[in-house]
Amino acid sequence: GESVGLHLPTLSVQEGDNSIINCAYSNSASDYFIWYKQESGKGPQFIIDIRSNMDKRQGQRVTVLLNKTVKHLSLQIAATQPGDSAVYFCALAWDRSGYSTLTFGKGTMLLVSP
Amino acid sequence: KAGVTQTPRYLIKTRGQQVTLSCSPISGHRSVSWYQQTPGQGLQFLFEYFSETQRNKGNFPGRFSGRQFSNSRSEMNVSTLELGDSALYLCASSLAGGTTDTQYFGPGTRLTVL
Repeated sequence: GESVGLHLPTLSVQEGDNSIINCAYSNSASDYFIWYKQESGKGPQFIIDIRSNMDKRQGQRVTVLLNKTVKHLSLQIAATQPGDSAVYFCALAWDRSGYSTLTFGKGTMLLVSP
Repeated sequence: KAGVTQTPRYLIKTRGQQVTLSCSPISGHRSVSWYQQTPGQGLQFLFEYFSETQRNKGNFPGRFSGRQFSNSRSEMNVSTLELGDSALYLCASSLAGGTTDTQYFGPGTRLTVL
């Protein structure tokens, strides 16, 4: 199987701060990386993705950085808001028997204080 | 467009019983994947279906099974329930299950085994 590690299980920030959530992976053959946000009582919600041929991708208030050399992925959230409080998962897709399988990290809980 | 729906949302069973969970994918999506989420193990892949065929299977015992219907709706079944099967079961759909196809998750079914 594949392993995906998170550097920090909980991240506490103040409203308005920028947040950075990190993720390490070991499968250099992964083609596709995704960040999901999961709020209490809900399923994971897609935030942003990046393909292996890119090193940066920006969305609305979020940026994903991919460093394939050190096998590291990060999610940056600008001007963090209380509504950003949730568990964030990185996931990587790899071909298994010719089809995609997602492997998820354990998650980082982001706590935003007003 | 309606999202992924799962029924029931909550379920309580006793050891030894069996359970069937249902998932309706996003319209037009033909791939359905199932995941088990627990605090200890995180999100783990169960299996994936495409065009009524199981293409991928995770490392779960044979008590876990599933199927997909011609309208892409999917069910998963767990027989002879054990206490350790208590978890949030998540269904995700994507267009075709390809490596870069985004998977969209439903809200999950919370299964409690007593």
